[in-house]
Parts: sequence; C-alpha cells; structure tokens
Amino acid sequence: NAGVTQTPKFRILKIGQSMTLQCTQDMNHNYMYWYRQDPGMGLKLIYYSVGAGITDKGEVPNGYNVSRSTTEDFPLRLELAAPSQTSVYFCASSYTPAATGELFFGEGSRLTVL
Amino acid sequence: DQQVKQNSPSLSVQEGRISILNCDYTNSMFDYFLWYKKYPAEGPTFLISISSIKDKNEDGRFTVFLNKSAKHLSLHIVPSQPGDSAVYFCAASSSGNQFYFGTGTSLTVIP
Repeated sequence: NAGVTQTPKFRILKIGQSMTLQCTQDMNHNYMYWYRQDPGMGLKLIYYSVGAGITDKGEVPNGYNVSRSTTEDFPLRLELAAPSQTSVYFCASSYTPAATGELFFGEGSRLTVL
Repeated sequence: DQQVKQNSPSLSVQEGRISILNCDYTNSMFDYFLWYKKYPAEGPTFLISISSIKDKNEDGRFTVFLNKSAKHLSLHIVPSQPGDSAVYFCAASSSGNQFYFGTGTSLTVIP
C-alpha cells in the first residue's frame, strides 16, 4: 500500500505566487489533516477534514484553503505565498478521530517562499 | 501557547542503555497521548500510545508512562539501539479531532 502520498516533495515559490500541495491516501480513511512544521517547532494543525465535503480550521489556518471532494484527496491551497509560509508540510490521515487513533503521515513537502 | 512541551531538544545515550524521553502538558482535558518517531526527510511514524485510564503501556522495547497528576509522560526505550536515533515527538488529544504536538527530542544512540 502507498499509504499517504504528497506531491511535490520540494517547491520554491516567489512572494505572491499561489500553489496547491496535493495529498492522497489509499487507506479509505475518513479523517485527513494538514500540518506544518517550522524549524525547532512541533507540528501545527492547519486544516482537517472528517469526511468528504467537510473541512474545518486548525490552529494556523490563515493563508491557506482546503477542499475535500473525495475520501482519497485533500489538497492544500496557498494563496499569495508569504515568507512566513516557508515550512515543511505534512499531510496525515486516520481511520478514527484523533482522540482514539493514530495518524499516518506522508513524507512531507518542503516549501520555500522567497 | 505550547500546550505540549518537550524541554530537552536532544539526548545522547550509549547503545544498550535506557533512553528516557520526557513530555509535559498543560491541558488537563487531554486524555489520549501518542509518541511518534521521525527520521530525516520522512514523515513521522506512530510508535506507541496511552489513554488517560492507564498509567503504563508497553510494546516491546518501548514503554510509555503517564502521570496525570503531574501532567507528565515519558517514553522509555530499553535497550537503546543505533537505529533508534531519530526525533521523537509526543502528541496529545482531548476527545476531538486535533492532536497537539511537542517540539521534539532528537535522540542519538552511540554505538
């Protein structure tokens, strides 16, 4: 099984550009999450989804948008990229809610905004 | 505001000895805790979990201890192996859809 797949693995953006980080999971998990990890910091939740058509904000949602049209896909959209969005982004999924299960992570997408 | 804290950024241990990684939390509503292991250029992988109804959970060489009164949990690795060298994150959840992660502890096991 591929698990959670993220693309691209690396990307450099100019200030003001937009892009979409793709995330796909093949485990039929209802719950999907986007985290960012800044150097020396823990993972911060950006957005999450409890099922197709349902999304909600996490701790740090500003500057991002998400959609969940299928169970498998959970893309993260960056509009008007800023240097503060330079980070490593992780997509994750789980079969049960966060309170009872484990998260399965993708390998991460390293984004640099110059 | 960091609700989950790992105050030791790094730890070095000799192979075969015990590694103890610590984690403190501030939110008394947290009732489910996990440890994740992360190698460079990879995503975190699940290691072990514990719910607040327990104070200990074991899985092979890994044991997690939970002290609810102190709002403290620890991960013990015995015996430590060079392949255990990684960054370890603790995470906590409170009957919701969000995990709160600590800042991580980088463990180096010296052969």
